[in-house]
Amino acid sequence: DAGITQSPRHKVTETGTPVTLRCHQTENHRYMYWYRQDPGHGLRLIHYSYGVKDTDKGEVSDGYSVSRSKTEDFLLTLESATSSQTSVYFCAISGGQFMGTQYFGPGTRLTVL
Amino acid sequence: GDSVTQMEGPVTLSEEAFLTINCTYTATGYPSLFWYVQYPGEGLQLLLKATKADDKGSNKGFEATYRKETTSFHLEKGSVQVSDSAVYFCALTTSGTYKYIFGTGTRLKVLA
Repeated sequence: DAGITQSPRHKVTETGTPVTLRCHQTENHRYMYWYRQDPGHGLRLIHYSYGVKDTDKGEVSDGYSVSRSKTEDFLLTLESATSSQTSVYFCAISGGQFMGTQYFGPGTRLTVL
Repeated sequence: GDSVTQMEGPVTLSEEAFLTINCTYTATGYPSLFWYVQYPGEGLQLLLKATKADDKGSNKGFEATYRKETTSFHLEKGSVQVSDSAVYFCALTTSGTYKYIFGTGTRLKVLA
């Protein structure tokens, strides 16, 4: 299994509070991704990173920001959480091998009340 | 833009039945194609992949063939087990991008 951890694994928070989710990898892979998974929508890309301090938006980036100060860590921040951001969040990595495989973390279940 | 379409679920089968989950795609260029499996409470795991036309990916009794002429990558298994109950995702990535496009997933339930 690829060495990807996510923290926390579960979080309950209130509307309007800031939330940061962490993804940590031990594979030294260049590319890291944040997705959210919701019923009927499958996986939707929030943001991704193609190197330290290099990030770009995905299809559902509004209300989210990211940072990557080290190769191994990719942080997802909800500046002011809303109930619509209740979801399961997955981090993924890929090595940048030409059209190679993406590997996923175990997920974080976030509930915004 | 690029897209992946999977058959709607849930799919309910008896143990030892034959499984097909349809996946078709739209892509510019020549994508790599993947099937991932997600067990309850877990992240997605790679099941199999194919990187060029006519390639067949296989793993754990599952197979899928990259069909360029029909833009399809259907997942098949000859005899399913209760332990195969999960959600299956078809996905693609194309050259020139490091983004991956996923289908909405198909839930499979296998009854003993």
